Amino acid sequence: ETGVTQTPRHLVMGMTNKKSLKCEQHLGHNAMYWYKQSAKKPLELMFVYSLEERVENNSVPSRFSPECPNSSHLFLHLHTLQPEDSALYLCASSQWTGFGYTFGSGTRLTVV
Amino acid sequence: SQQGEEDPQALSIQEGENATMNCSYKTSINNLQWYRQNSGRGLVHLILIRSNEREKHSGRLRVTLDTSKKSSSLLITASRAADTASYFCATDEEAGGSYIPTFGRGTSLIVHP
Repeated sequence: ETGVTQTPRHLVMGMTNKKSLKCEQHLGHNAMYWYKQSAKKPLELMFVYSLEERVENNSVPSRFSPECPNSSHLFLHLHTLQPEDSALYLCASSQWTGFGYTFGSGTRLTVV
Repeated sequence: SQQGEEDPQALSIQEGENATMNCSYKTSINNLQWYRQNSGRGLVHLILIRSNEREKHSGRLRVTLDTSKKSSSLLITASRAADTASYFCATDEEAGGSYIPTFGRGTSLIVHP
């Protein structure tokens, strides 16, 4: 365990479903991140939160909606996804932006 | 934008040999980091080297940084089968007072027993 916990580990959802991914850290970090990792593509940064404020939104489609209610929790709300959204979704945290990142084990998402 | 780019994309060696991976980047950096990822899992932070450092060691890992060439290398000495994984470099670009991390595509390392 790295100190960053992601749930669920695996998720299969239909294109009309609504689901949420959860990330939790108790490392005292102030920044949290969502990444998407697809086969044969670089890790794609989706969202960055620093002190619960979103500081980066990398042109992510609106069917992905992040939420950071406090510095320990980060959610990614999913709705009307497409099959190409199937990927490994990784959450990470860091003391501040610009320091080393601690990653969770990821959620393997399959959209059918 | 993609900052770090690892080379080679894939590396296959025998146990006991050294493995060297390279990373090139485009803009000025605050620091450069190397990560390891086992198949389907999260990334594990290996080592961070600051822009004013040239070399850093951690166990069997040696990282160098050449800011004039905008490149870094990761050397794993006396490799083991358990070192089989993908290795990524990451750099931080400054954006509006925050640092935004960017990862390359990674080098896939296979160490044969």
